[in-house]
Amino acid sequence: AQKVTQAQTEISVVEKEDVTLDCVYETRDTTYYLFWYKQPPSGELVFLIRRNSFDEQNEISGRYSWNFQKSTSSFNFTITASQVVDSAVYFCALSDPTGGGNKLTFGTGTQLKVEL
Amino acid sequence: DSGVTQTPKHLITATGQRVTLRCSPRSGDLSVYWYQQSLDQGLQFLIQYYNGEERAKGNILERFSAQQFPDLHSELNLSSLELGDSALYFCASSAGTIPTGELFFGEGSRLTVL
Repeated sequence: AQKVTQAQTEISVVEKEDVTLDCVYETRDTTYYLFWYKQPPSGELVFLIRRNSFDEQNEISGRYSWNFQKSTSSFNFTITASQVVDSAVYFCALSDPTGGGNKLTFGTGTQLKVEL
Repeated sequence: DSGVTQTPKHLITATGQRVTLRCSPRSGDLSVYWYQQSLDQGLQFLIQYYNGEERAKGNILERFSAQQFPDLHSELNLSSLELGDSALYFCASSAGTIPTGELFFGEGSRLTVL
């Protein structure tokens, strides 16, 4: 079965610090997709990135970067020069074809608090 | 704005009651998913529909049921409600059934059972 582990329950940083959110996954599939979603205090889930299992190239989007390492089954997310607006719960997710369909299995989330 | 619309946004009801949550997917999306988010269980997949047919089932209780209508909107029916059913219920949509694209989530329906 698919499993996503986000060991960091809560992280607090001071604005402008860099912060890395860890994600470790388990799957027997050879083709799979990994995702990060952001859940701000308002509650909605906002898509941040999708990565497929064949593309281990790291990606950078502004202050956000993602490090995918298949060898360690990790898909970590780094925010550079964090800002108060980055305060949210961040979820890592893994595509889960178990039983058919296109569902995602989510980790338990990491609460990020960025303070002034 | 994800383009996925959920109603109602908030709902307070009593144990034993029945409620219906409604979801309109993004224009053109054929798949609808329901997720439950609670403090103790996290984000749990409930069920997926694709073009009106059930596609995948997760940890959905027998007291819960869902359907997707010809106009592609979906409803999640929760009956014989218990205190533990209090949660944020998300609907999401996607274009197809293969996991190459992201799921677009609505803002959620917060259910409180008293």
